[in-house]
Amino acid sequence: EAGVAQSPRYKIIEKRQSVAFWCNPISGHATLYWYQQILGQGPKLLIQFQNNGVVDDSQLPKDRFSAERLKGVDSTLKIQPAKLEDSAVYLCASSPPSLGSYEQYFGPGTRLTVT
Amino acid sequence: KNQVEQSPQSLIILEGKNCTLQCNYTVSPFSNLRWYKQDTGRGPVSLTIMTFSENTKSNGRYTATLDADTKQSSLHITASQLSDSASYICVVRIIDSNDYKLSFGAGTTVTVRA
Repeated sequence: EAGVAQSPRYKIIEKRQSVAFWCNPISGHATLYWYQQILGQGPKLLIQFQNNGVVDDSQLPKDRFSAERLKGVDSTLKIQPAKLEDSAVYLCASSPPSLGSYEQYFGPGTRLTVT
Repeated sequence: KNQVEQSPQSLIILEGKNCTLQCNYTVSPFSNLRWYKQDTGRGPVSLTIMTFSENTKSNGRYTATLDADTKQSSLHITASQLSDSASYICVVRIIDSNDYKLSFGAGTTVTVRA
């Protein structure tokens, strides 16, 4: 079974520039999550999708962050414009649709450096 | 204040030695607790999951314990290997308005030296 795929793996941009990350979840997984992990901290949930609908985006800085999951499969996370404090690893995770499933499968992450 | 506290923040151990990581949480109502291992440059991978009624669960050289009364969990690594060098993250799942939320600890960074 292929895992969660993310690209790019690394990205360096200057502040005020824009950037987009891509995630391809495990086939058949209905739930998709984007996390931000700042160095030395645990992941923080940015947004959760159930199929192509948003379940929770309460911690997404909506003035600069946006995410979409068209067709309920792949997802993109965009930052526009980036700030220095956005430097972090952005993790994508997915969960299968079975009732009571607790497992989240994480991708390798995209490490963003904003200079 | 984080609702899931892990200690120590980091530790260094010699290959072959044992170590124990701690996780204290204040979130409720509790559903389950999971320990993840995160290698450098990779996403977290689940090691164990424990529900309210479980006290101990093992996965190879990893043994997790849970005391739901005191809201404490530990992860014990036996006979450490160089490949155990990683960050270990404690994650508590809580029930919130007929849905669930995950609370992540900041992780403990373990370095195993030869």
